[in-house]
Amino acid sequence: EPEVTQTPSHQVTQMGQEVILRCVPISNHLYFYWYRQILGQKVEFLVSFYNNEISEKSEIFDDQFSVERPDGSNFTLKIRSTKLEDSAMYFCASKPSGYNEQFFGPGTRLTVL
Amino acid sequence: GNSVTQMEGPVTLSEEAFLTINCTYTATGYPSLFWYVQYPGEGLQLLLKATKADDKGSNKGFEATYRKETTSFHLEKGSVQVSDSAVYFCALSALNTNAGKSTFGDGTTLTVKP
Repeated sequence: EPEVTQTPSHQVTQMGQEVILRCVPISNHLYFYWYRQILGQKVEFLVSFYNNEISEKSEIFDDQFSVERPDGSNFTLKIRSTKLEDSAMYFCASKPSGYNEQFFGPGTRLTVL
Repeated sequence: GNSVTQMEGPVTLSEEAFLTINCTYTATGYPSLFWYVQYPGEGLQLLLKATKADDKGSNKGFEATYRKETTSFHLEKGSVQVSDSAVYFCALSALNTNAGKSTFGDGTTLTVKP
C-alpha cells in the first residue's frame, strides 16, 4: 500500500541554521500539506500546496518558511533561520483530488538547540 | 472557520472499562470526520473515519457515529486494553475550504491501567 514518507526522522540543528525537511507524497496525489505538532500539543496546520503553488497558509507560516516541489516527487519544507520554538514534530500529508482523507507521513522531529 | 472541540483529558481507566471521548465540531459545508491515535514518540495513525451524516466509523473495537444534528463524533470502545493507552485526536476536513486542510482537536490522553 502506498505511503507518504519523510526524511530525516530526526533532525538536530543549531539556532539560526537553515533546515530542509523532505517528504515524498503518494504518487497520484495532487494536494500536499505540512503540519506541526509542538511536544504535547495539538497538530497545527502550516501550509497547503496545489498545482505548484501555495493554496492556503496559517499565521505560523511566516517568511521564515517556504515550500517547494522541486522535481515532481519530493515536497520540501524549508525553515531559513531556525528558532528554539521551531522545535516540533513536522508532518507531511497528501491527498488525491475530490477526496477528504489526507494521508500522513511518519513525521520528522526537529530539535533546535 | 472550522474548529474541533474535544473533551479535556487526561482520561484514566481500568482495563475492560467503557471509553467515551467526546468530540464536537463547527464547520461550513459537509466535512469528513476522523479519529487519529498517536502512541508515545510516534506519528499519527488514522483510527476511523466517517464521510457523511449517520455514518459509523469503526476499527479495532472503536466506534464513532457522525451526528450532524448535534455536530458530534464521539469515540467509544466497550472494553479498553492497556495497549489502547495513547493520545486520541478528533479532526475534520472539508472539500469546500480552499485547500481541504485538516483541523484537529487538542487531543485526549488515555491511560489504561491493568
